[in-house]
Amino acid sequence: AQSVTQLGSHVSVSEGALVLLRCNYSSSVPPYLFWYVQYPNQGLQLLLKYTSAATLVKGINGFEAEFKKSETSFHLTKPSAHMSDAAEYFCAVSDETGANNLFFGTGTRLTVIP
Amino acid sequence: DGGITQSPKYLFRKEGQNVTLSCEQNLNHDAMYWYRQDPGQGLRLIYYSQIVNDFQKGDIAEGYSVSREKKESFPLTVTSAQKNPTAFYLCATTDRGGNQPQHFGDGTRLSIL
Repeated sequence: AQSVTQLGSHVSVSEGALVLLRCNYSSSVPPYLFWYVQYPNQGLQLLLKYTSAATLVKGINGFEAEFKKSETSFHLTKPSAHMSDAAEYFCAVSDETGANNLFFGTGTRLTVIP
Repeated sequence: DGGITQSPKYLFRKEGQNVTLSCEQNLNHDAMYWYRQDPGQGLRLIYYSQIVNDFQKGDIAEGYSVSREKKESFPLTVTSAQKNPTAFYLCATTDRGGNQPQHFGDGTRLSIL
């Protein structure tokens, strides 16, 4: 069965530092993978998605993620953190049956220290 | 997402009362979903619908009910059988195709009076 593990429920970085949010997935078929961001009391906004076209995926707000099949990972990075990046981030993997259901990780809350 | 409207934004439920959360979309998407979000637990799927007049239970359907009479609408009823309804509820939609992302509304926060 497919699942997602996000290592670290809380991550703190200084403004201008590298952001690295970890996501490992489990899937018996080539997965579709997604990163979402959630600001307080709002819905989830899509940051980027991997659909097998390219292993390095660029998203909005300067974020990118690299699909590594050998490590079953899809970590999210940003070279330089901005105060506005403070939010909760969710990794998700698609349903193996081909339906559009997603399985979400438990989220990582990013704090940016000025 | 401007194409998905959830209402109300805040809702309060009395003991023994059923309440209904609204989700309306103008994206012309076939599939619609309801998630429950609790702190530290991520999103858990309550119900989903791939087509009008059809829906399936998710992982935590007990105490909830839905209907899908129109493509644009997927209301969620939190019944009195749901003993711990306090949570943030999110509605999502997606288009056909296995690689399509889900689009989310801004959520409804439900609390018990």
